[in-house]
Amino acid sequence: RKEVEQDPGPFNVPEGATVAFNCTYSNSASQSFFWYRQDCRKEPKLLMSVYSSGNEDGRFTAQLNRASQYISLLIRDSKLSDSATYLCVVNRDDKIIFGKGTRLHILP
Amino acid sequence: EAGVVQSPRYKIIEKKQPVAFWCNPISGHNTLYWYRQNLGQGPELLIRYENEEAVDDSQLPKDRFSAERLKGVDSTLKIQPAELGDSAVYLCASSLEQGGNYNEQFFGPGTRLTVL
Repeated sequence: RKEVEQDPGPFNVPEGATVAFNCTYSNSASQSFFWYRQDCRKEPKLLMSVYSSGNEDGRFTAQLNRASQYISLLIRDSKLSDSATYLCVVNRDDKIIFGKGTRLHILP
Repeated sequence: EAGVVQSPRYKIIEKKQPVAFWCNPISGHNTLYWYRQNLGQGPELLIRYENEEAVDDSQLPKDRFSAERLKGVDSTLKIQPAELGDSAVYLCASSLEQGGNYNEQFFGPGTRLTVL
């Protein structure tokens, strides 16, 4: 089992809809968590950190569930520009592990 | 402020040839990463430097890959000899690490390597 797992998708979602996807991690010693966004043929960029209490940034909400060992990303009122691959990142003992990413397509 | 700079952006070589990639991190960033990303996969860490010291090279295939970060600033990653399976995008990233806390990594545009 991989240490960080994501549903590769693609998630095809109509514009304006709400979409959510999860990322599971296998090592309970994982310390910090992040979502990165990667556009096609571009480099990854930090979308948001994931805090234990959950955090929100505009239309984006990230949550952490330590008991079940997953993090989630919720996108409300999705825009065409949200189409991208969303990478889950887990930090454990100074090791940074990226998931394979979840592809999201927002449909007009 | 300039971001992470990488060169070349694209490289096509024949197998068994050597190849080198260069990265200049964001000014003042003490930590530098090299990743390899295959199509449809997430970035895979090859090596991480804190200043000029390689603190994690456990995933670097040392029989053919080497890296250096002289003076703790820019860095080169070399493959010699290249194999077909080395075709991928090689990403460099940098961050300012303080007190053991993980901080945002800033990625360069990557070098797309094709081995024929």
